Amino acid sequence: AQSVSQHNHHVILSEAASLELGCNYSYGGTVNLFWYVQYPGQHLQLLLKYFSGDPLVKGIKGFEAEFIKSKFSFNLRKPSVQWSDTAEYFCAVNAGSGGYQKVTFGTGTKLQVIP
Amino acid sequence: DAGITQSPRYKITETGRQVTLMCHQTWSHSYMFWYRQDLGHGLRLIYYSAAADITDKGEVPDGYVVSRSKTENFPLTLESATRSQTSVYFCASSDPPIRLEQFFGPGTRLTVL
Repeated sequence: AQSVSQHNHHVILSEAASLELGCNYSYGGTVNLFWYVQYPGQHLQLLLKYFSGDPLVKGIKGFEAEFIKSKFSFNLRKPSVQWSDTAEYFCAVNAGSGGYQKVTFGTGTKLQVIP
Repeated sequence: DAGITQSPRYKITETGRQVTLMCHQTWSHSYMFWYRQDLGHGLRLIYYSAAADITDKGEVPDGYVVSRSKTENFPLTLESATRSQTSVYFCASSDPPIRLEQFFGPGTRLTVL
């Protein structure tokens, strides 16, 4: 069964600091990868996605993620965080082909940005 | 505006009562999902539906019932609510193969006393 690990449960950064959130998955086949963001009191929104092609994916609000197949990783990065980036971030993996493609979410990483 | 709506947004009920959470989407997406979000567990899939009249269990289906008579609606019913079902419930939709990402509703915060 596929699984997703987000090792950092809670991250605290000062504004302008660089961010990297880890995401590792376990699935040997073709995967589609996502990062979602959940701002306080809101629903999940798609931040970025990787299906194929360039393993460096750029998303909204200056976020990017790099797919490293050999490491089964899809880490999220941002060079300089802002207070408004305070949110919970979820990595998700969609694997399989045809029919229902099971999506597995990580347990999330809460990011707190201090002004 | 197009999107996913959920109702009610907040609900307090008592143990043993039946509760139905509503989900409505205007995109005509084929797939719809119900998740619960609990601290330390992230999002766990309860049920999903690939199309009208096609539903299947997810990771934590016990105590829940779903139906999908119309593409746009996907209600979730707690037949006899228990305290362990206190959670935030999110409905989502997707439209593979074009739209693999899921679009989420605003959530329903359910408290079972």
